[in-house]
Amino acid sequence: QVQLLESGGGVVQPGTSLTLSCAASGFTFSSYGMHWVRQAPGKGLEWLAVIWYDGSKKFYADSVKGRFTISRDNSQQTLFLQLNTLRAEDTGVYYCARDFGAYHYIDIWGQGTLLSVSS
Amino acid sequence: YVLTQPPSVSVAPGKTARITCGENNVADKSVHWYQQKPGQAPVLVIYYDSDRPSGIPDRFSGLNSGSTATLIIYRVEAGDEADYFCQVWDKNGDSWVFGGGTKLTVL
Repeated sequence: QVQLLESGGGVVQPGTSLTLSCAASGFTFSSYGMHWVRQAPGKGLEWLAVIWYDGSKKFYADSVKGRFTISRDNSQQTLFLQLNTLRAEDTGVYYCARDFGAYHYIDIWGQGTLLSVSS
Repeated sequence: YVLTQPPSVSVAPGKTARITCGENNVADKSVHWYQQKPGQAPVLVIYYDSDRPSGIPDRFSGLNSGSTATLIIYRVEAGDEADYFCQVWDKNGDSWVFGGGTKLTVL
């Protein structure tokens, strides 16, 4: 059964750092690009970052470039997102998701992990 | 790159719902659609403009021409009530772009 399970969310103070994790199972993780997508409360989906299947390429949304870092450990079938200098507007549900196809749609989503940035 | 969706669409049960996703030359891109119900993760319902993943009813269909892509849901059911998001890959900017989302209400 293909599954993505995020962890690492919680309540943190502004200015702090945090790393989110996403454990993959049921498929060959090292064959797929992976994304992080977030959703602020009551808002739409916001793409954050993607990493190629082998980690060779990484791309970021302008809104998080320079503050967030995506990485992966294929031996552990795990995706990461390091978030630095957190702001209140980073509050939301963070989803990891699997990239698929020549035109890059997302075919598998995790259930998400909730991050709240508040003093 | 910006994808524009109407904030809301309402339709009676059994009727046809059309949700648009527009931007200049969107027909040059491949558009994908996701359904998200409250408290749940999104689910892919249409990819490559008009293809359906396995398990998605054939009531879901898609079109992409000119400046507008459209998700069409035939014979709408109460269970179709959800938020729907379109998405493209902008290869020029190496970015993935989501539309703002459309809340489908079944009257």
